[in-house]
Amino acid sequence: SQKIEQNSEALNIQEGKTATLTCNYTNYSPAYLQWYRQDPGRGPVFLLLIRENEKEKRKERLKVTFDTTLKQSLFHITASQPADSATYLCALEGYNFNKFYFGSGTKLNVKP
Amino acid sequence: DTAVSQTPKYLVTQMGNDKSIKCEQNLGHDTMYWYKQDSKKFLKIMFSYNNKELIINETVPNRFSPKSPDKAHLNLHINSLELGDSAVYFCASEVAGGRETQYFGPGTRLLVL
Repeated sequence: SQKIEQNSEALNIQEGKTATLTCNYTNYSPAYLQWYRQDPGRGPVFLLLIRENEKEKRKERLKVTFDTTLKQSLFHITASQPADSATYLCALEGYNFNKFYFGSGTKLNVKP
Repeated sequence: DTAVSQTPKYLVTQMGNDKSIKCEQNLGHDTMYWYKQDSKKFLKIMFSYNNKELIINETVPNRFSPKSPDKAHLNLHINSLELGDSAVYFCASEVAGGRETQYFGPGTRLLVL
């Protein structure tokens, strides 16, 4: 069965640095990959979507890469701020419509 | 106006009881979902409805019965609650048919004692 892995350990970085989060997957060929942000006690909020034929996507301070050979996506936040502290989830969708598979998320702590 | 709302926000109940969670979206979306997020934070799809029609049922015990009275509402009824049902249940909606952003509700925190 498909497996999606995100680093379960929290990522602690200093304000102003670039945060890089990893999403690895196995036994799956996703058509789309999405990144969501989840704050404590709240539902996930969509950040970025990248398609299988795209290598990179950017939105303001956010950048996502998608390497279907390595079966990996990297999520970067440049010039990180304490307000970026949250849990970040990756989600994969295959060619079977409507079926999303989520990773367990990585908690990011940005220290002032 | 809240895009995707859920009620109740918290639900504490005894094992064996039956309970319902309600979800409403005012985004005009055709597709709605129920997800379960366990203590390890895995968000797992349970059901998906498209325009009131069930299209995904992910090996969920038949104690869980979703119902969509119209495309703006998706309710979840749970019979004979068990300890392992304790989790946060999220409703989400999407324009239609996948390939799009999902909009999540605030979650319903269910605790079965």
